[in-house]
Amino acid sequence: NAGVTQTPKFRILKIGQSMTLQCTQDMNHNYMYWYRQDPGMGLKLIYYSVGAGITDKGEVPNGYNVSRSTTEDFPLRLELAAPSQTSVYFCASSRPRGNQPQHFGDGTRLSIL
Amino acid sequence: AQKITQTQPGMFVQEKEAVTLDCTYDTSDPSYGLFWYKQPSSGEMIFLIYQGSYDQQNATEGRYSLNFQKARKSANLVISASQLGDSAMYFCAMREGEGGSEKLVFGKGTKLTVNP
Repeated sequence: NAGVTQTPKFRILKIGQSMTLQCTQDMNHNYMYWYRQDPGMGLKLIYYSVGAGITDKGEVPNGYNVSRSTTEDFPLRLELAAPSQTSVYFCASSRPRGNQPQHFGDGTRLSIL
Repeated sequence: AQKITQTQPGMFVQEKEAVTLDCTYDTSDPSYGLFWYKQPSSGEMIFLIYQGSYDQQNATEGRYSLNFQKARKSANLVISASQLGDSAMYFCAMREGEGGSEKLVFGKGTKLTVNP
């Protein structure tokens, strides 16, 4: 079972460049999420989606965009990368029931230089 | 105010002993859920255990149990018979409300080191 797959695993960007972090899940989960984890910190929610065509901002959305055209895919777009966006990015998915855990991808380690 | 507080940046335990990792939370919503995740040095997030606010009994999953004290707003993770492979970061997280987006708020984590 693939679960939640994130690509790439590592990336170095220059300031001002743009890129898309890919996330796909094969569990037919309605809900998907993007988090960032800064060194020594917990995860902070960037954006989330409760279904195809529906997205909403989380705690730290500035500098990012998302789209959800299918149930499976939830890409995260960074426009005009800044050093403050250096972080580890996690994509997760879950079923729409309160006791269901979120399933996480392995993360993308992104450095902005 | 922080919604999830983990006051122990680091904890040490001897192999085969039990250890308790603290988590306190802050919410005014009567319906909420508490999750614990493990993050090994390899970086992935592994779900360990869940406790719902209306659950009458403390949750247990193998060597993991949750000491849920609702009045104190605490949800401490107890790991029994620690193993070397338990060395990792541990995060407490909370979902507020029922239905909706199931968004989680995470604490800053506790780094557990199991000594042989």
